[in-house]
Amino acid sequence: DTAVSQTPKYLVTQMGNDKSIKCEQNLGHDTMYWYKQDSKKFLKIMFSYNNKELIINETVPNRFSPKSPDKAHLNLHINSLELGDSAVYFCASSPTGGETAEAFFGQGTRLTVV
Amino acid sequence: AQSVTQPDIHITVSEGASLELRCNYSYGATPYLFWYVQSPGQGLQLLLKYFSGDTLVQGIKGFEAEFKRSQSSFNLRKPSVHWSDAAEYFCAVGGNTNAGKSTFGDGTTLTVKP
Repeated sequence: DTAVSQTPKYLVTQMGNDKSIKCEQNLGHDTMYWYKQDSKKFLKIMFSYNNKELIINETVPNRFSPKSPDKAHLNLHINSLELGDSAVYFCASSPTGGETAEAFFGQGTRLTVV
Repeated sequence: AQSVTQPDIHITVSEGASLELRCNYSYGATPYLFWYVQSPGQGLQLLLKYFSGDTLVQGIKGFEAEFKRSQSSFNLRKPSVHWSDAAEYFCAVGGNTNAGKSTFGDGTTLTVKP
């Protein structure tokens, strides 16, 4: 029973297309995130949502639009894809505060823009 | 601003040898510190975390880490490495809430020689 699940696992698409990545967590956590991991494996936070409200937006181009229909889901929509968007995108969730505030990561979505 | 430095980009050890991965952090208050492991093609998994109390923390898979405030370090250790430990290791520092928005180091790639 996967705690944080992302779909699809792989995504290959042409420049200029619009695509979405879905994320769901069944841990009952209040907070969800999107991270981007580039080809050098550097990991950077993109967005953070707490109970469906955006709380972090780390200077991500506005072609990226997260949407949280409920606190268990955080989807990432990307418009007008560019070559530089190729990366692995990780969804994560965490409870808010306290000693258990570690992040639980999904398996990642490898996006390749051609 | 918080930051994490992992000085070693790549480390190679022989199976059965001991391991130490270095992590230095910069944080304005009491840090929350984490070590994550990423196996090839997988998401990140939490190995251990430090919030307070005993400065030597035990984690999963036989790993431990020691928090040294005077050195701003949180080095990861394992007495005897197994081939399955080959992976990417990330140190992260965060505040007392929403640890998923922690700042991650650039990672250390561990190769294990037979």
